[in-house]
Amino acid sequence: GQNIDQPTEMTATEGAIVQINCTYQTSGFNGLFWYQQHAGEAPTFLSYNVLDGLEEKGRFSSFLSRSKGYSYLLLKELQMKDSASYLCAPKGGGYNKLIFGAGTRLAVHP
Amino acid sequence: EPEVTQTPSHQVTQMGQEVILRCVPISNHLYFYWYRQILGQKVEFLVSFYNNEISEKSEIFDDQFSVERPDGSNFTLKIRSTKLEDSAMYFCASSPSLQESGNIQYFGAGTRLSVL
Repeated sequence: GQNIDQPTEMTATEGAIVQINCTYQTSGFNGLFWYQQHAGEAPTFLSYNVLDGLEEKGRFSSFLSRSKGYSYLLLKELQMKDSASYLCAPKGGGYNKLIFGAGTRLAVHP
Repeated sequence: EPEVTQTPSHQVTQMGQEVILRCVPISNHLYFYWYRQILGQKVEFLVSFYNNEISEKSEIFDDQFSVERPDGSNFTLKIRSTKLEDSAMYFCASSPSLQESGNIQYFGAGTRLSVL
């Protein structure tokens, strides 16, 4: 089967660091993506991991452990505009489809 | 920056009517997708399309759904006889090729379909 677990909601303060965890089980694995989705808008690509380890991209970093079926997204120097849902999306079992989790709704407060 | 464009942004239809949702993928991309998101729920994969044929489809993508690439630029999703439960945001996405790292999928802004 396919299962993706992320916290439903998180809150953080502007300027802080937040880590959003994701555990997954998929039939087949071809990498894991993180997308950002503001309410009513399209998912926007943030990061991609296919090998174990940390990928850094500006204020955003993503980590993957394939053996543990675990990933996290790290957001640094939080800004108000980072308030959005963050979607963990393994690419599994099949050609190219993304399997989205329910997402973590992050609220950044002043 | 190239982007995926979708039209219309909002489509209202009566139950039982046919609708066609239109997408123009990024021009040099080879893979095309449709996803949907029912209000308050997660994004769900519908279908992927490559080399002028469906490469994968989900259980949601039943006989009521079809996709077509009628020319070199458009990619359409047709729902033959809409049901109330088809009301959702429909996202089109495209990705470049398997040779590109990750074959990242880029999403359009979506078409909100409201079935009355």
